[in-house]
Amino acid sequence: AQKVTQTQTSISVMEKTTVTMDCVYETQDSSYFLFWYKQTASGEIVFLIRQDSYKKENATVGHYSLNFQKPKSSIGLIITATQIEDSAVYFCAMREGHNTDKVVFGTGTRLQVLP
Amino acid sequence: GGIITQTPKFLIGQEGQKLTLKCQQNFNHDTMYWYRQDSGKGLRLIYYSITENDLQKGDLSEGYDASREKKSSFSLTVTSAQKNEMAVFLCASSSPDWASAETLYFGSGTRLTVL
Repeated sequence: AQKVTQTQTSISVMEKTTVTMDCVYETQDSSYFLFWYKQTASGEIVFLIRQDSYKKENATVGHYSLNFQKPKSSIGLIITATQIEDSAVYFCAMREGHNTDKVVFGTGTRLQVLP
Repeated sequence: GGIITQTPKFLIGQEGQKLTLKCQQNFNHDTMYWYRQDSGKGLRLIYYSITENDLQKGDLSEGYDASREKKSSFSLTVTSAQKNEMAVFLCASSSPDWASAETLYFGSGTRLTVL
């Protein structure tokens, strides 16, 4: 069964620094998709970035990038030049293969960016 | 663009009561999901549906029923509300094209309180 684990409950960083949030996953499938979502204080959940398991290059979107370490079943989210508005809860998620639409989430990491 | 509408935004029920939450999407997406989010915790999958009249159990389906009578709507029923079920229920939908960068689109949630 697929499983996603985020062990960092909460992180605080100073503005304009770089932060990495950890995520490890479990799957029996050789093909899978990994995602990061952001939940703002208002409760809104938005998609940030995704990594397809067959791609070797780490995905990058704006100031978000991923550190995909397939042998370690790890997909870290890196935010560079953090801003106050990056303060939110970040969720890692996974969908296995091409034969299911099931998407499971981790428990989330709360990021606080301090001025 | 599209939108996911969840009704009601707030739902107050009595312990043991049967309660129904509704979700509508106008993205014309095939797959829809119900997740439960407990305070300070992650998203746990209750049910999902890949097409009209299809239902797939998630990891937290016990105590819930779901219904997908139309492509655009997906309802969730709490069969017998319990006090430890106070949570936010989130509906989401996904594009049929998993090659697209964005994946799940979320509604704003229904906050359930059980008295």
